[in-house]
Amino acid sequence: EADIYQTPRYLVIGTGKKITLECSQTMGHDKMYWYQQDPGMELHLIHYSYGVNSTEKGDLSSESTVSRIRTEHFPLTLESARPSHTSQYLCAGGGYNEQFFGPGTRLTVL
Amino acid sequence: GQSLEQPSEVTAVEGAIVQINCTYQTSGFYGLSWYQQHDGGAPTFLSYNGLDGLEETGRFSSFLSRSDSYGYLLLQELQMKDSASYFCAVSMDSNYQLIWGAGTKLIIKP
Repeated sequence: EADIYQTPRYLVIGTGKKITLECSQTMGHDKMYWYQQDPGMELHLIHYSYGVNSTEKGDLSSESTVSRIRTEHFPLTLESARPSHTSQYLCAGGGYNEQFFGPGTRLTVL
Repeated sequence: GQSLEQPSEVTAVEGAIVQINCTYQTSGFYGLSWYQQHDGGAPTFLSYNGLDGLEETGRFSSFLSRSDSYGYLLLQELQMKDSASYFCAVSMDSNYQLIWGAGTKLIIKP
């Protein structure tokens, strides 16, 4: 079944740690996105990619980085986590008329 | 700047009909999408309007008026499982990014 996968689903870490949130897809999307969403709030685009070796920053300033070496894989890395990074991170693929989301990673930084 | 306005909360009775409005002010416009998100879950796509008029998908319909910069989502025969947050999102021109509204929390009472 074609889908978008994210791991881990939940992560609790200490300040200063380096973490990578994984996102993979079997849907063949060229365009992929990372969103940050606090509970009950809107989605904010933090990174996007139009294809292999293409990455751009979104509207929300973020201290994270992304890579797109393969179409199927779009990981997000935080070099030094801080409590302000506590949020839900959603990975999506698709285009302007429909986006498909992974289940999300709920990150808590202590 | 870009902005989308939708009510923060709407309450309705099981079996009834509810309409969630969305007005937008964006520098470009390609289409209006609607997504549903249950608490703790990820957004799921409901509908997309690229042209003026009504799109119907089962119990859900979506309407767009480009001249009024306005759209709405109509939910009929409400069920308890429809309790969720509903987000409108605008795609601007051809850059494939979405601008998201803050979401409308739909509360359904028996």
